[in-house]
Amino acid sequence: GIQVEQSPPDLILQEGANSTLRCNFSDSVNNLQWFHQNPWGQLINLFYIPSGTKQNGRLSATTVATERYSLLYISSSQTTDSGVYFCAVERIYSTLTFGKGTMLLVSP
Amino acid sequence: DAGVIQSPRHEVTEMGQEVTLRCKPISGHDYLFWYRQTMMRGLELLIYFNNNVPIDDSGMPEDRFSAKMPNASFSTLKIQPSEPRDSAVYFCASSRGTTQTSGNTIYFGEGSWLTVV
Repeated sequence: GIQVEQSPPDLILQEGANSTLRCNFSDSVNNLQWFHQNPWGQLINLFYIPSGTKQNGRLSATTVATERYSLLYISSSQTTDSGVYFCAVERIYSTLTFGKGTMLLVSP
Repeated sequence: DAGVIQSPRHEVTEMGQEVTLRCKPISGHDYLFWYRQTMMRGLELLIYFNNNVPIDDSGMPEDRFSAKMPNASFSTLKIQPSEPRDSAVYFCASSRGTTQTSGNTIYFGEGSWLTVV
């Protein structure tokens, strides 16, 4: 099956700092999504982004499908951004495969 | 919208006991997914349904696991007999249409935290 690798595995930031999370995948995909799992375990969809760039407030994501990677940018990080960020990809006629995640801790 | 509702939120049970996890998807969603999350294996898809019909159960770990969806508003995941290695967070999720279409976001429940001792 398709492989999804996320980096870094862990990240500690001071509030206000910026960060970039990376997701590499091993094959072409029809769907790529970024999720945030908060410290209480809730999984929230952030972006549906099989290609191109999208922005939502302080978060933005870019997927370069031809080079099989996606980036999630977090600017001016806040403590509420803490949690685990997952990249998930999907091939046609398949289902979402999740990466192992990047655990982010934003300290005040 | 109430979101995906799972019960119980937490369960501690003894090895060998039967465990039943329940899920109510978002009204109008025709896809329902069961995922399992562990530290070692991350998030894994166990089984998914489309219009109440199981489509792919290749992720179900073994015969001790079974899932049903008797109607559009209810699904169960059953483990019988349970073992300590089944300890995990079990998520139910639903979507309207395939998640391969832009805008068909998948929504997760808050999870059922299972501990088998």
